[in-house]
Amino acid sequence: AQSVTQLDSQVPVFEEAPVELRCNYSSSVSVYLFWYVQYPNQGLQLLLKYLSGSTLVKGINGFEAEFNKSQTSFHLRKPSVHISDTAEYFCAVSSQVRSNDYKLSFGAGTTVTVRA
Amino acid sequence: ETGVTQTPRHLVMGMTNKKSLKCEQHLGHNAMYWYKQSAKKPLELMFVYSLEERVENNSVPSRFSPECPNSSHLFLHLHTLQPEDSALYLCASSQQAGSSYEQYFGPGTRLTVT
Repeated sequence: AQSVTQLDSQVPVFEEAPVELRCNYSSSVSVYLFWYVQYPNQGLQLLLKYLSGSTLVKGINGFEAEFNKSQTSFHLRKPSVHISDTAEYFCAVSSQVRSNDYKLSFGAGTTVTVRA
Repeated sequence: ETGVTQTPRHLVMGMTNKKSLKCEQHLGHNAMYWYKQSAKKPLELMFVYSLEERVENNSVPSRFSPECPNSSHLFLHLHTLQPEDSALYLCASSQQAGSSYEQYFGPGTRLTVT
């Protein structure tokens, strides 16, 4: 079974400042990793995903994340945030090993509030 | 309509009521999911359907009953719910059921049980 820990429940940040959201996971097998964003009153939208290959993954809206296998982390970064980045961000992990493992395990979420 | 739609967006029901949540995906996907999202808790996977067959039932109480009549529609039938069932219920779909496939989410139904 996999589990995800998002280390910060709330992150306030000023507009045009950088932001990093931390995500650690635990798993006994190789994993796929995802970051989703949820804007107010909306469903979740995929920002980026790591399946294999380069450990630096670029996503939509200027976000990127780096997979670090030794530290079992998948931190999300953006060099300069906008007011419109105010949202809740979820890290998620799933198993690579079992082809019939449908479970996507989510973290509890990090609320990002961007201030002018 | 595009993407994944859910109706109603808000629902208030008493503990003795019976109601249904509806989800429709317009993406041609083969897998559909129900999740429960409670405040400050991780999303909980409830059910997974692949090609209209239920492939996962994540220890969900029987007062929640899913139905998938075709690959585009998914229902969640609710009866004799408890106040702790109040939450945001999210529907999602993916091209196939499998751990590497991106899931596309609907906006959710905000359920309040009184």
